[in-house]
Amino acid sequence: AQSVTQLDSHVSVSEGTPVLLRCNYSSSYSPSLFWYVQHPNKGLQLLLKYTSAATLVKGINGFEAEFKKSETSFHLTKPSAHMSDAAEYFCVVSDLNRADMRFGAGTRLTVKP
Amino acid sequence: DGGITQSPKYLFRKEGQNVTLSCEQNLNHDAMYWYRQDPGQGLRLIYYSQIVNDFQKGDIAEGYSVSREKKESFPLTVTSAQKNPTAFYLCASSIDSVDRGYETQYFGPGTRLLVL
Repeated sequence: AQSVTQLDSHVSVSEGTPVLLRCNYSSSYSPSLFWYVQHPNKGLQLLLKYTSAATLVKGINGFEAEFKKSETSFHLTKPSAHMSDAAEYFCVVSDLNRADMRFGAGTRLTVKP
Repeated sequence: DGGITQSPKYLFRKEGQNVTLSCEQNLNHDAMYWYRQDPGQGLRLIYYSQIVNDFQKGDIAEGYSVSREKKESFPLTVTSAQKNPTAFYLCASSIDSVDRGYETQYFGPGTRLLVL
């Protein structure tokens, strides 16, 4: 069965500095991996997804993530944080041909002026 | 304007009462899902439906019921058997692609359920 672990429950960065949100996954098959962002009291918005094509995936708002099979990781990065990036971020894993997805517990990103 | 709509935005439940949360999508997606979100936790799957007139239990189905009579609609009923219903409820949908399995899930704006 697939599962995902987000290694930090809270990350705080200063505006203009890099962002790193860490995610490790477990999957029996070739996984699809996603990062979603959630602003307070809102639904989830897809940032990016990996589905066995290029290992470096570029998403919206300058975010990208790298799939590393040997490390079973899918960390989310951004070179320079913006105040509007402050939100909750979820790493998600899904096995091919399974309808259900497994969500990490989330990482709250705080961006300081 | 395609998307997923959930109503109401806030819902209050009295003790012993059943309440129904609405989820509608006009994306022509085959699969629909209901999740529950509690503070500090990720999303947990309640029910999902891959096709009309069929649905499957997720990890926390007890105290909930669903129906899928139309492709675009997937209402969730929180029954009186659910003893701790206060949470944020999210509905999602996805395409069922024959050659690529289930695609990305797209989420509605959510309904916050509170117990009086």
